[in-house]
Amino acid sequence: DAKTTQPTSMDCAEGRAANLPCNHSTISGNEYVYWYRQIHSQGPQYIIHGLKNNETNEMASLIITEDRKSSTLILPHATLRDTAVYYCIVSLDYKLSFGAGTTVTVRA
Amino acid sequence: EPEVTQTPSHQVTQMGQEVILRCVPISNHLYFYWYRQILGQKVEFLVSFYNNEISEKSEIFDDQFSVERPDGSNFTLKIRSTKLEDSAMYFCASSEVGRVKNTEAFFGQGTRLTVV
Repeated sequence: DAKTTQPTSMDCAEGRAANLPCNHSTISGNEYVYWYRQIHSQGPQYIIHGLKNNETNEMASLIITEDRKSSTLILPHATLRDTAVYYCIVSLDYKLSFGAGTTVTVRA
Repeated sequence: EPEVTQTPSHQVTQMGQEVILRCVPISNHLYFYWYRQILGQKVEFLVSFYNNEISEKSEIFDDQFSVERPDGSNFTLKIRSTKLEDSAMYFCASSEVGRVKNTEAFFGQGTRLTVV
């Protein structure tokens, strides 16, 4: 599976959009981009995934660049409950390789 | 909303003892997984299971570990002769299909295993 690079941490103001970048320059044609988050050692929670097109669901939006070498997860209106570690994962299947992720802290 | 359930939430065992961690995957899912997370470290893949056999396993998943689907609903991880370094959160996950397409893998809330 392709390796991903994410910033170690970021802060976000409550009510504002949080934009989480991820680089995956070695992604192969069939690999999907997945985003999970983990709130305080709970089980990883699925957020969103995509292959080529931008995706949106009730939790977030995923913007994938045309060359697929990077993506951005957007939490449109961050709340305090969105404080978590966010993982960007590139994979063909569910042998998911979790990196260190981005620790997002939402501040009031 | 369907969810993966794991029991117990916390298990304390003595070194050298055997433990069985239990999971009830989402009912229509066919693929099952175990991951673990040692405190302060990354979530690591252990094993995937489909059609009553292991489909893939990591280097961590040695002879000390085994998985089983003893009936139509449970999926278990057995650790024989536990070691101190087996102390971790163990997460079960399940997915409808094995290849990533239009579905996702759902994780349980984990079992915290403490070996003393």
